[in-house]
Amino acid sequence: EVQLVQSGTEVKKAGESLKISCKGSGYSFSRYWIGWVRQTPGRGLEWMGITYPDDSDIRYSPTFQGHVTISADKYITTAYLQWSSLKASDTAMYYCVRVDPDGSAFDFWGQGTMVSVSS
Amino acid sequence: VLTQSPATLSLSPGERATLSCRASQSVKTYLAWYQQKPGQAPRLLIYDASRRATGIPARFSGSGSGTDFTLTITSLEPEDFAVYYCQQRTQWYTFGQGTKLDI
Repeated sequence: EVQLVQSGTEVKKAGESLKISCKGSGYSFSRYWIGWVRQTPGRGLEWMGITYPDDSDIRYSPTFQGHVTISADKYITTAYLQWSSLKASDTAMYYCVRVDPDGSAFDFWGQGTMVSVSS
Repeated sequence: VLTQSPATLSLSPGERATLSCRASQSVKTYLAWYQQKPGQAPRLLIYDASRRATGIPARFSGSGSGTDFTLTITSLEPEDFAVYYCQQRTQWYTFGQGTKLDI
């Protein structure tokens, strides 16, 4: 059974750094693109970027390029999303997603990690 | 840009639901549909415009190509009342703003 299990809720202050995680299991982790989707009440669902764990190729949405870092460790089958300096506007629910083999849809989702940033 | 309509659809169990998603330019058939219930992550229903994901009941169907797409739920069950999103993949991935299916 494919599972993506994300790290827990985070409450941070603006300017702090943060790294959240997503552990994949039940499939060949290295051979599927894995990425992140942000959800906010105001902007809805936004794709942030994806990485291919086998060769560490990374693709960012232009909206998020330079603001976050996506990575993955294929040896511990875990993907990461990190910020070096959080802003209040980063407050959102973040979902880890697996990209389907055709690359056209997100066929499995993590349970979500809520990040709250106070100014 | 993906535009979904209507924003809210109010129906009763047993009725047929028709949700629309329009793309600002052709996405061929690179169109997926997701269902999201309160407090849960979205779930993939349809990919490549018309292919049901694993485990999705046959009452869900997708159609369309190019710029106009439809998600149809033939006979609504109580558990189908949720928010539905379309998503495209051309150069990047983008989502529609969602349609809330209300009882």
